[in-house]
Amino acid sequence: DTGVSQNPRHKITKRGQNVTFRCDPISEHNRLYWYRQTLGQGPEFLTYFQNEAQLEKSRLLSDRFSAERPKGSFSTLEIQRTEQGDSAMYLCASSPNYVVAQYFGPGTRLLVL
Amino acid sequence: AQKVTQAQTEISVVEKEDVTLDCVYETRDTTYYLFWYKQPPSGELVFLIRRNSFDEQNEISGRYSWNFQKSTSSFNFTITASQVVDSAVYFCALSASEYGNKLVFGAGTILRVKS
Repeated sequence: DTGVSQNPRHKITKRGQNVTFRCDPISEHNRLYWYRQTLGQGPEFLTYFQNEAQLEKSRLLSDRFSAERPKGSFSTLEIQRTEQGDSAMYLCASSPNYVVAQYFGPGTRLLVL
Repeated sequence: AQKVTQAQTEISVVEKEDVTLDCVYETRDTTYYLFWYKQPPSGELVFLIRRNSFDEQNEISGRYSWNFQKSTSSFNFTITASQVVDSAVYFCALSASEYGNKLVFGAGTILRVKS
């Protein structure tokens, strides 16, 4: 069984540009989570999906951020009009349900210049 | 108040020393789950252990052991006979319905093991 995969692994963009990240969860995991991690901090929750339904969004997720999970499989996280403060590691995790562990992907490191 | 507190920002030990990483959590729920994750320099978070609030038995897995004490809201992690490969950032995390059943992480403890 392959783990969670994320693409791209690194992204450098200019302020004001839009970026999109992709996450492929472990197959048959119906829960998918997005977290953001800045330097020296633990991951912070952004949003999660159960199948294709987005069930919760953090206040960290401004209106420039949007996430989708069409057909309950892979997920995309889009940031519009990026700002330098968006520079962080974006982590995706999946789990079969909430009581077991979440398994994380390698993350996408975003740098906004 | 912090929901998960890892008071040790950084710990340095010499190989073969034992080291304990502290974690204190806060929740009003009676059912909750505690986790430890390891983040090596490569960046990927690696799951180490999950413990539910009703199971206070200590657990040992190889050189790793965990001490869960509900009375002090602590879930400490000990590495016995540390090795250079143990160098990483270690995160304690909490999942509770009070917090929406997502993972709430501590700030992490950087462990440096020197040869």
